Amino acid sequence: DAMVIQNPRYQVTQFGKPVTLSCSQTLNHNVMYWYQQKSSQAPKLLFHYYDKDFNNEADTPDNFQSRRPNTSFCFLDIRSPGLGDAAMYLCATRGGGETGELFFGEGSRLTVL
Amino acid sequence: AQSVTQLDSQVPVFEEAPVELRCNYSSSVSVYLFWYVQYPNQGLQLLLKYLSGSTLVKGINGFEAEFNKSQTSFHLRKPSVHISDTAEYFCAFIKGGSSNTGKLIFGQGTTLQVKP
Repeated sequence: DAMVIQNPRYQVTQFGKPVTLSCSQTLNHNVMYWYQQKSSQAPKLLFHYYDKDFNNEADTPDNFQSRRPNTSFCFLDIRSPGLGDAAMYLCATRGGGETGELFFGEGSRLTVL
Repeated sequence: AQSVTQLDSQVPVFEEAPVELRCNYSSSVSVYLFWYVQYPNQGLQLLLKYLSGSTLVKGINGFEAEFNKSQTSFHLRKPSVHISDTAEYFCAFIKGGSSNTGKLIFGQGTTLQVKP
């Protein structure tokens, strides 16, 4: 059974048209992450939540925003997608404890036309 | 600077042959090490992890890895690969102890191509 669920799996948007990607989890983990992965590259951390505390990476563009209304859900908002934002977006969760592994969703592939 | 280096971007190998995917890390503090696999258009799945204890760790799908602290390496091995092992493999670590931020630092990935 999927524990980290991302929707939609594939999203096509037009240049500049806002898009929202969602992530839900059944693990009750307190940490949730959003990664951006471009073709043939390693995932790059955009931001993460520790409970409701939001932690933005220094090089994450302002174009990317996130919301976490409750423990189970987290959203990635791209306010004005550019061609360079086409990528796979991965959501991950981590439970408590120092050694907790990350659990990843299947990803949302964004295409920008 | 903390970093992970995967020494091979692509590794072609014939089915049923052994394979080793190399990973070296750089960190001034202790680390917890992971190998993840990513199949096309899918998320990352944990293969195995080293937290402490025995330096040889066994994971899913017949993979194993050996932590070598003196060489700061965590190479992934499988004695006999299958076509279905064709995928992207990522080595990663989280800093341990009081330096733990929970951030997973990834290598650039190694594409394993298993040929019939």
